[in-house]
Amino acid sequence: EAGVAQSPRYKIIEKRQSVAFWCNPISGHATLYWYQQILGQGPKLLIQFQNNGVVDDSQLPKDRFSAERLKGVDSTLKIQPAKLEDSAVYLCASSLASEPNSPLHFGNGTRLTVT
Amino acid sequence: AQSVTQPDIHITVSEGASLELRCNYSYGATPYLFWYVQSPGQGLQLLLKYFSGDTLVQGIKGFEAEFKRSQSSFNLRKPSVHWSDAAEYFCAVGPSYNNNDMRFGAGTRLTVKP
Repeated sequence: EAGVAQSPRYKIIEKRQSVAFWCNPISGHATLYWYQQILGQGPKLLIQFQNNGVVDDSQLPKDRFSAERLKGVDSTLKIQPAKLEDSAVYLCASSLASEPNSPLHFGNGTRLTVT
Repeated sequence: AQSVTQPDIHITVSEGASLELRCNYSYGATPYLFWYVQSPGQGLQLLLKYFSGDTLVQGIKGFEAEFKRSQSSFNLRKPSVHWSDAAEYFCAVGPSYNNNDMRFGAGTRLTVKP
């Protein structure tokens, strides 16, 4: 099966600019996650979708971050305006269902550098 | 809230030597525990998981982990390390009913010497 697809792989922007990341989960996976992985740290959940509804966005900085999954398939994560501390790898993951025995499948991530 | 501590930031082992990566968790109930591996430029891949039952869990690529409730630990082991095992390893803990509050440790970077 095809894995989780993410684009772009790399992005360099200046602070206060905006940026968007795209994720296409594994076909049939209802649950989609966006994680932020800062260098030297483990991934931190930003937002979880179940189909096209938000399950958890408690750790999403909503003043600058937004995400959508309009048709319950692919998703976009946007940052506007970006700050230096947003430099990180943004990982998308999907799973069949929000059950603990449904493993997360991760994409290769988008590495964002904010200068 | 649950949390995970990986005490070792970086470990170096010789190829063919045994490996143990440490993971300590904090969680009020029976935890769901996971080990993931991340190669450079790649996403995370699940190595193994523990929910209940046998405390010794077998995973992919010859890895195993042992859940020790008394020590709040879930250490990852491999009897003989291969050069291709060089990567970052993350321990994670999740609640008993869903994934959306999974917490990852900071990771341990494994270097394998020839």
